[in-house]
Amino acid sequence: DVKVTQSSRYLVKRTGEKVFLECVQDMDHENMFWYRQDPGLGLRLIYFSYDVKMKEKGDIPEGYSVSREKKERFSLILESASTNQTSMYLCASSLLFGRETQYFGPGTRLLVL
Amino acid sequence: EDKVVQSPLSLVVHEGDTVTLNCSYEVTNFRSLLWYKQEKKAPTFLFMLTSSGIEKKSGRLSSILDKKELFSILNITATQTGDSAVYLCAVAPTSGSRLTFGEGTQLTVNP
Repeated sequence: DVKVTQSSRYLVKRTGEKVFLECVQDMDHENMFWYRQDPGLGLRLIYFSYDVKMKEKGDIPEGYSVSREKKERFSLILESASTNQTSMYLCASSLLFGRETQYFGPGTRLLVL
Repeated sequence: EDKVVQSPLSLVVHEGDTVTLNCSYEVTNFRSLLWYKQEKKAPTFLFMLTSSGIEKKSGRLSSILDKKELFSILNITATQTGDSAVYLCAVAPTSGSRLTFGEGTQLTVNP
């Protein structure tokens, strides 16, 4: 079974703090994704990566950056957290070509005060 | 811009009822449509549909795609309280690996 893990289930941070969310997958998937999920807005793609050191912006990249130094690990960084970044953050992974099924981690619920 | 619309947004039923969840989409160069179930954690994959008119079935859940009318339905028969979840629909284009998700349908099954 594919396993996607996220570093924290719950986080509370203060406005202006730098926040790191980490995601690790154990199935050698090329693609990794970061979404945020908000009531009434569904899942929105922040960034994704199709290879080590490669990244592409999703639909809402503003205020976020990402890092992929190893194939199994994809980090989401909030350089200076703001209250409007309070959300559920979901990481997912998938194979590269023609395999669109994504496997999700358990999510990190982030509260920015 | 790709778009996925799910309806209803929320639904409350009693155990034993049958429910139908709807997903309509607009996508450039459609490849597949996926259904996920999300309880209080990670979305878990249910079905992937690529061809019109072919029903996919897993236990009490089934789904079908209509590529002409650009929609899919997810049916759940004899609902149980364990079916309570958010059901997400997503579409994949032919190029790239991105999925576009709908808002989800919150299903609540009461005993």
